[in-house]
Amino acid sequence: GAVVSQHPSWVICKSGTSVKIECRSLDFQATTMFWYRQFPKQSLMLMATSNEGSKATYEQGVEKDKFLINHASLTLSTLTVTSAHPEDSSFYICSATSGNDNEQFFGPGTRLTVL
Amino acid sequence: AQSVTQPDIHITVSEGASLELRCNYSYGATPYLFWYVQSPGQGLQLLLKYFSGDTLVQGIKGFEAEFKRSQSSFNLRKPSVHWSDAAEYFCAVGPFGAGNMLTFGGGTRLMVKP
Repeated sequence: GAVVSQHPSWVICKSGTSVKIECRSLDFQATTMFWYRQFPKQSLMLMATSNEGSKATYEQGVEKDKFLINHASLTLSTLTVTSAHPEDSSFYICSATSGNDNEQFFGPGTRLTVL
Repeated sequence: AQSVTQPDIHITVSEGASLELRCNYSYGATPYLFWYVQSPGQGLQLLLKYFSGDTLVQGIKGFEAEFKRSQSSFNLRKPSVHWSDAAEYFCAVGPFGAGNMLTFGGGTRLMVKP
């Protein structure tokens, strides 16, 4: 099956620093990638939809200047949390679609802890 | 607007017992329905999906789900639960088409008693 990886799997950073999370489709070309945020014991909340070569579409309430998304190739999307604060601590999950239907293949997630 | 409701936040069953996790959806067109499982600290794994055809769908790990249009439901079932099934289960709905977003239910946490 299709495999999506994320790097890093966990990261701890100081408040005010920026953190970049990578999402890669390993064995297929992902025309669209999605970024989700999941708080403890809660469901996934879509943050943004990213299409290769174009600007990401952010969901209402998500600050695009704080959560920078780049989808420069068909196999890589990055999420940069800028000037991170403790309230940004969360589990960030990406997913990707191959284009045949909208089945999404999910990455293993990245746990971000901001001190 | 589309929405997904999983009425049961927590469910506890004994190992070997049968399981049914409920999912109700609201969607204006023909829905594309999914069940995912998430183990602690992990991403989501697809159990099964449904768009058309036989309304009883077989998935991995012995799970199945039945689509009932009249009840707007897509309940997940397993005849005999194993301790390794303890996890969080998410139902999701979306339109059929590449790149379209999914809407997730709130999840149901399954605990399995020995």
